[in-house]
Amino acid sequence: QKEVEQNSGPLSVPEGAIASLNCTYSDRGSQSFFWYRQYSGKSPELIMSIYSNGDKEDGRFTAQLNKASQYVSLLIRDSQPSDSATYLCAAVTAGNQFYFGTGTSLTVIP
Amino acid sequence: DTAVSQTPKYLVTQMGNDKSIKCEQNLGHDTMYWYKQDSKKFLKIMFSYNNKELIINETVPNRFSPKSPDKAHLNLHINSLELGDSAVYFCASSQDYWDRGFHGYTFGSGTRLTVV
Repeated sequence: QKEVEQNSGPLSVPEGAIASLNCTYSDRGSQSFFWYRQYSGKSPELIMSIYSNGDKEDGRFTAQLNKASQYVSLLIRDSQPSDSATYLCAAVTAGNQFYFGTGTSLTVIP
Repeated sequence: DTAVSQTPKYLVTQMGNDKSIKCEQNLGHDTMYWYKQDSKKFLKIMFSYNNKELIINETVPNRFSPKSPDKAHLNLHINSLELGDSAVYFCASSQDYWDRGFHGYTFGSGTRLTVV
């Protein structure tokens, strides 16, 4: 079992819809979580971090964390074609081990 | 101003050759890293350097040798390249090793290595 699991997709949503990206992690002691966006041929770019249970909102992005279920999600509201990318989830354990998932490919259809 | 820069962006070379990738960061960070991203987009840590000192060396063949002349630079030299070394290599940095757990990494633009 990988430390961080994501559905590889591809996930397709129409423009203006909500895109929902999900991630589970195996180390119950994980303390912090990140979402990176990676456009094709580019480097990963940090878009959200979350440390506490609940929701954290930043513009059109909302990260959700449920430590009891070991589950992290990213919601993108009013999806735009420019949101089309691979989204990488990452978790950091109590021992500062940093693990990435394999990413979910998102396509927003105009 | 590019925060973390890598050269070259593309590298095509034959099996058995030796090649180097250079990385520089102007963020004033203490810790730098090399990551390998395979064709399935999986990012795997290779090395971590804190203030020029190697702190983490994952299970990487000893054909890979990182060198850090100062805390702003981290280079990767690869000997006797193999087909399986084909991947995208990312340099990254963080304020310090523990800070990456709070603020994540800043990645360089990547070097796509193709071994033929």
